[in-house]
Amino acid sequence: DQQVKQNSPSLSVQEGRISILNCDYTNSMFDYFLWYKKYPAEGPTFLISISSIKDKNEDGRFTVFLNKSAKHLSLHIVPSQPGDSAVYFCAASPGNQFYFGTGTSLTVIP
Amino acid sequence: DSGVTQTPKHLITATGQRVTLRCSPRSGDLSVYWYQQSLDQGLQFLIQYYNGEERAKGNILERFSAQQFPDLHSELNLSSLELGDSALYFCASSVVSSGASYNEQFFGPGTRLTVL
Repeated sequence: DQQVKQNSPSLSVQEGRISILNCDYTNSMFDYFLWYKKYPAEGPTFLISISSIKDKNEDGRFTVFLNKSAKHLSLHIVPSQPGDSAVYFCAASPGNQFYFGTGTSLTVIP
Repeated sequence: DSGVTQTPKHLITATGQRVTLRCSPRSGDLSVYWYQQSLDQGLQFLIQYYNGEERAKGNILERFSAQQFPDLHSELNLSSLELGDSALYFCASSVVSSGASYNEQFFGPGTRLTVL
């Protein structure tokens, strides 16, 4: 049972435009959410997080939005750069372990 | 470089065999987590150890076991291997004991296991 879902396996965006990656979850007990970025042949690296008491968190070009009523979070990357091309995983936790989505492969076209 | 090391990078073995994957956490991190990533799947949490003790268990098969040693390195043992066990196995470490403290996890580069 996939409690965290990333329904778009891939996304292509032009350099300089906005990339929006989406993630849906089913467990209302999740109260902490993270995004990880993964390059080929490397492990995932932490990108940004958000707690359920917030609806937005920004870090430079990266912003995560949380809509608790819809059980939906999104990652916005503005402006997108070719170096952002990677697989992005969202993860959620109810406090004891993390549940990961299947990932979205982002390609930023120069 | 996350500071988490995993060996070996690649492992090819046959069905029915047993293998051991090794992980060394970042210096100072007490928690180690193991994840499995199969083709087209997300990262599936297997098990967590904190300072030598099992802290949380996820979707870990009975054929799989893990331990964390006094020097904090961890080993994941996979036995009676099946074709479906072919996957990337990631180890991650963090400072604190549970996700409730919400510290990020630092991932190693993974071990790619191929079962033929």
